[in-house]
Amino acid sequence: NAGVMQNPRHLVRRRGQEARLRCSPMKGHSHVYWYRQLPEEGLKFMVYLQKENIIDESGMPKERFSAEFPKEGPSILRIQQVVRGDSAAYFCASPPEGGSTDTQYFGPGTRLTVL
Amino acid sequence: GENVEQHPSTLSVQEGDSAVIKCTYSDSASNYFPWYKQELGKRPQLIIDIRSNVGEKKDQRIAVTLNKTAKHFSLHITETQPEDSAVYFCAWVGTSYGKLTFGQGTILTVHP
Repeated sequence: NAGVMQNPRHLVRRRGQEARLRCSPMKGHSHVYWYRQLPEEGLKFMVYLQKENIIDESGMPKERFSAEFPKEGPSILRIQQVVRGDSAAYFCASPPEGGSTDTQYFGPGTRLTVL
Repeated sequence: GENVEQHPSTLSVQEGDSAVIKCTYSDSASNYFPWYKQELGKRPQLIIDIRSNVGEKKDQRIAVTLNKTAKHFSLHITETQPEDSAVYFCAWVGTSYGKLTFGQGTILTVHP
């Protein structure tokens, strides 16, 4: 749904650099889910955040990956020291305004390419 | 465990035919079952969903059925059109804060 915003849409990094991906949820909502889609695969849950809180990070790799959703501004997924295996599409999702948290609409995604 | 088995992995039909995709889940506490359509290079798009207190839901050419006893749910597309060609993902939500677990996807090709 057009209401979920992500940027950048495409990101190219060299091995060892840092990648920062941003997501703004649907207007009026403070819940953000991040998912990763490896090439030619399905989507895998990474982390669920509400404003200033990480609720569920069971899908996050143990190292190099972190996420935050500050009181002001978008949610940020940060990948330190990127490796080629991090190349993927990263989507965030958000419930619609006034909707159940089950119902999730996806942003356009950030396609990360690690050279 | 949190698994969703989705079949078939690829499905090829002629325009006007019906297409059926089936998913089996493992968590009996699951209560919400959405279906997403993803075109190449695009975002997953929610096309229909069903909750556990309902056995069937229909929206024009798309329907979803749920069998909680057997733990499976299916997507039915009737009168398929070439623009239905995409990858379709089933998903479910259990008790864990709305976290979606996805099936492996079905590549649907509708031939004109």
